[in-house]
Parts: sequence; structure tokens; C-alpha cells
Amino acid sequence: QQPVQSPQAVILREGEDAVINCSSSKALYSVHWYRQKHGEAPVFLMILLKGGEQKGHEKISASFNEKKQQSSLYLTASQLSYSGTYFCGTVGGSQGNLIFGKGTKLSVKP
Amino acid sequence: EAEVAQSPRYKITEKSQAVAFWCDPISGHATLYWYRQILGQGPELLVQFQDESVVDDSQLPKDRFSAERLKGVDSTLKIQPAELGDSAMYLCASSPQRREQFFGPGTRLTVL
Repeated sequence: QQPVQSPQAVILREGEDAVINCSSSKALYSVHWYRQKHGEAPVFLMILLKGGEQKGHEKISASFNEKKQQSSLYLTASQLSYSGTYFCGTVGGSQGNLIFGKGTKLSVKP
Repeated sequence: EAEVAQSPRYKITEKSQAVAFWCDPISGHATLYWYRQILGQGPELLVQFQDESVVDDSQLPKDRFSAERLKGVDSTLKIQPAELGDSAMYLCASSPQRREQFFGPGTRLTVL
């Protein structure tokens, strides 16, 4: 039931792009994306509802393919401030609870 | 900008002692969540409140954990007695309509 994230970790140079994937074995109602820096609380990035929508937040965008039960987070022209662990959280129904993946650790180097 | 408040930020206790954590959600947020996060893992839901009512506490170890939100505003999570395996970050989050969740800074618990 826990969504699977890939890759587990990625190292980038400033300005490079990255994609983080999140997949579920169950039908999804929504997908949430959060970023957590070391020792801090998770920060909400965006929520995607079923319908195949795509959203953007600065240079970070995401897509949600409900048929494939997958979501991807796209980080373009990465900045040092993008470093952290990215979590996807999935909700199985309109009244379901958020279940987080294990996270993807992103490190952006100068 | 409104934030979720939690206290204490850090707590060190010995096993078998009682500990309590407090959370004050963003004003107007009816839904409140308590999560436990083990280092290197994603947050795991312990309990969810809608106003003062418990909506889901299926993952709460009820033999030692309890949670309340008496007036539908702030909330307390208690552990008694604490065990070594309870060492973790305890996060509180609130949400306006069961959508995006806003997390507090968390309480880092260390059980010795």
C-alpha cells in the first residue's frame, strides 16, 4: 500500500534537471508532494487530483497518470535550495489517509 | 504566515517514563494529524482528528499511546510508558479540508 519512489537518491549539479517517480499498486484519488530538509518538517509542494492534471510550483512541476497509478515530479534547472528529501504521499479515496513513500534524497552541488 | 506550533522541540526521557507532546494547528483548520517519522523513512499516520472527534486511530498503539483534542483546537499526544523503539520525530499537521497538510516543526523524542 505504501507508494514506491524512485530513485532513492540522486546527486545533481546546479542547473541540471531531475525526475522523481512515485507509483502505487492501488487506484489513487490524489498524490501529494512534499520536500523535507534535514532536521525540519516536510513542506507542502503540490497536490494533484485524479484526472491526469499537471501542476507547477516555480521550476518544479508534477504529473499524475491515474490509469498507471503513477506520479512524477520534475525539477528543472535545479538550485542549491532544492536539496532535501522529496516524499510523495498517496490517497486511495476521497476520505482516505495520506500514505507516504520512503522518500528520494536529492543533493544539488555547486 | 500562520504556522503549526509544536512543543517541546526536543525531549529526552528514560524508558518507562511518560511523555506528552502538544500541537496547536493553524487557526481554522478542522483536521489535525499526528505522525511518527523514523529517520530515513516517510511520516506514518498515528491519529487523525476532525474537529474534536477521532477519525482514524487504527495505527495508534493504544496500549501506550493516547491522543486528545478536547475543544477541537489544540491537541496532545501522550506516551506512557515510553519504550526504546519510540525514539522518533513526532510531527503534527493540520489541513483545512483534508487536502494539503501543513506540518509543524516536530518533536524529536529520544528514549534512553
